[in-house]
Amino acid sequence: DTGVSQDPRHKITKRGQNVTFRCDPISEHNRLYWYRQTLGQGPEFLTYFQNEAQLEKSRLLSDRFSAERPKGSFSTLEIQRTEQGDSAMYLCASSFGLPTGELFFGEGSRLTVL
Amino acid sequence: AQSVAQPEDQVNVAEGNPLTVKCTYSVSGNPYLFWYVQYPNRGLQFLLKYITGDNLVKGSYGFEAEFNKSQTSFHLKKPSALVSDSALYFCAVRDEGRGKLIFGQGTTLQVKP
Repeated sequence: DTGVSQDPRHKITKRGQNVTFRCDPISEHNRLYWYRQTLGQGPEFLTYFQNEAQLEKSRLLSDRFSAERPKGSFSTLEIQRTEQGDSAMYLCASSFGLPTGELFFGEGSRLTVL
Repeated sequence: AQSVAQPEDQVNVAEGNPLTVKCTYSVSGNPYLFWYVQYPNRGLQFLLKYITGDNLVKGSYGFEAEFNKSQTSFHLKKPSALVSDSALYFCAVRDEGRGKLIFGQGTTLQVKP
């Protein structure tokens, strides 16, 4: 299967620790997106990349969150000094670099902050 | 600013009956509209999209959606519901000149035998 893959699928951490999630997009796709989803809610946009350039970042996103896509392939999302409110499903998606293109989502990385 | 509204938290239909899941949007330019479905503990799956042209678009699993520019709506429809259609459905919009895709809050579809 050559879909979007995310790692780890589940992460349990203690408040104040740092966590990092990795996303490997579909290889032909040059856009990569990160979303956050809490139970029963719609995905909330965090940021997106076109190749290695981060083109947009949500203004609601705390400075504790940072994302990178150093070589225009895989991406990492790091959360520093985690808080209980960070507990959520973190979704990665990729697409071709066209505004008409649909996003293809991974299965997500579930974060639980104790 | 882009926004999407799904006015119904839940829609209940009987198997075999037609279903409609409502969606309205707001963008400053031309809208690109999408529907996704999410099954429990799974990622989102693309169903269909409207970019331009015919206002009625057809997608996966027998679903279709009707774009109405004057009402700024993009309702999801299916002529005959199946129990297996029970899931969480999300409408999403992208402004023509933007990259990010904005999602609605979702509508739970419950199809009863």
